[in-house]
Amino acid sequence: QQQVKQSPQSLIVQKGGISIINCAYENTAFDYFPWYQQFPGKGPALLIAIRPDVSEKKEGRFTISFNKSAKQFSLHIMDSQPGDSATYFCAATNRVSGGSYIPTFGRGTSLIVHP
Amino acid sequence: GAGVSQTPSNKVTEKGKYVELRCDPISGHTALYWYRQSLGQGPEFLIYFQGTGAADDSGLPNDRFFAVRPEGSVSTLKIQRTERGDSAVYLCASSIGTGPSNEQFFGPGTRLTVL
Repeated sequence: QQQVKQSPQSLIVQKGGISIINCAYENTAFDYFPWYQQFPGKGPALLIAIRPDVSEKKEGRFTISFNKSAKQFSLHIMDSQPGDSATYFCAATNRVSGGSYIPTFGRGTSLIVHP
Repeated sequence: GAGVSQTPSNKVTEKGKYVELRCDPISGHTALYWYRQSLGQGPEFLIYFQGTGAADDSGLPNDRFFAVRPEGSVSTLKIQRTERGDSAVYLCASSIGTGPSNEQFFGPGTRLTVL
């Protein structure tokens, strides 16, 4: 059972366009929602994250929109650049028995930005 | 500064063999995490350590998988009697704390191929 559903699986955007990736979750115990960027041969790197008591967070060209009642959140990349071409993962974290917060990842979106 | 390092970067083994994967976390990071990333999927949590002890190993798929962190720094993931289904990229991450906003820094991963 996939706890975090991510779409689309792949996305092609022209340089300067807006890239939008959507995620949905079921578990109401999730309490922090990070997005990760992964380049080939590298591990994921934290891009931006949001707490559930906030509806929107913006950092540079990257914006997370969060809808708690719908249990949905999305990543918007404004003015997309070829260097943004990567795989993006949404995630939702919850506290595990050991005390840490562990992310459950979506399946990823492969973004290609054409010059 | 040095990030999380993992060795080897690639490991090819035969079905039934034993393998060890090593992770060197960022100096001073007390929390260490192991994830497994199958092709086309997001990382899946395996186990995490707080100091020397395994605080949560609920993600380990079966008793063929074991991990240690004897001195609270370097960790080794051990897989016995490897199976073809174990083929994946094994990621290690470390963080300075375990709160929801404590960023986990990922290494580049070890790509394990079981023939």
